[in-house]
Amino acid sequence: DARVTQTPRHKVTEMGQEVTMRCQPILGHNTVFWYRQTMMQGLELLAYFRNRAPLDDSGMPKDRFSAEMPDATLATLKIQPSEPRDSAVYFCASGPTTVPNTGELFFGEGSRLTVL
Amino acid sequence: RKEVEQDPGPFNVPEGATVAFNCTYSNSASQSFFWYRQDCRKEPKLLMSVYSSGNEDGRFTAQLNRASQYISLLIRDSKLSDSATYLCVVTVYGGSQGNLIFGKGTKLSVKP
Repeated sequence: DARVTQTPRHKVTEMGQEVTMRCQPILGHNTVFWYRQTMMQGLELLAYFRNRAPLDDSGMPKDRFSAEMPDATLATLKIQPSEPRDSAVYFCASGPTTVPNTGELFFGEGSRLTVL
Repeated sequence: RKEVEQDPGPFNVPEGATVAFNCTYSNSASQSFFWYRQDCRKEPKLLMSVYSSGNEDGRFTAQLNRASQYISLLIRDSKLSDSATYLCVVTVYGGSQGNLIFGKGTKLSVKP
């Protein structure tokens, strides 16, 4: 059963530390999204890739966040330096090119980040 | 104004009840609409698409009103297992890509 895999599932770190989250999209999916979810803001779009090229990262704080797809099987989201306000669940999701029309976006289980 | 707005609830209903959620969106250029379901501490999953003519999937009915820019989800004969947060999702197109924008969700709790 194909699924999006995210690591780590849980991360507790101290303010100022670097955090890297990884995502393996479903094989064959060429569209990858990173979302952040908090109680206050809900699901916020951070970055959006198609065929490994970033299409939209306007929702991402550029000074500390970066997102990349080194290859088709790996997407990364890095926070450096991390701050307490970055505490959230970070979801990676993948889908085919038709995602905007079909809504068929498959989410990973999320990486729960706590920054102390 | 948020692009997609939902009543956060919670909606507390007894088993067997009919419950309806609404969602409004601000971008009139939005072209595709969906409902997702998210169980507690789990990832969101696609529940159903929303078509202009309205569509039904078992006990679930989704409707779209483009003129008023709102989407609805009706759940009939609700089950305990329907307890979850329901997320309204809108595709907003900018340039060559479409972004899926999520509402904050409406929480439903179905009681015995």
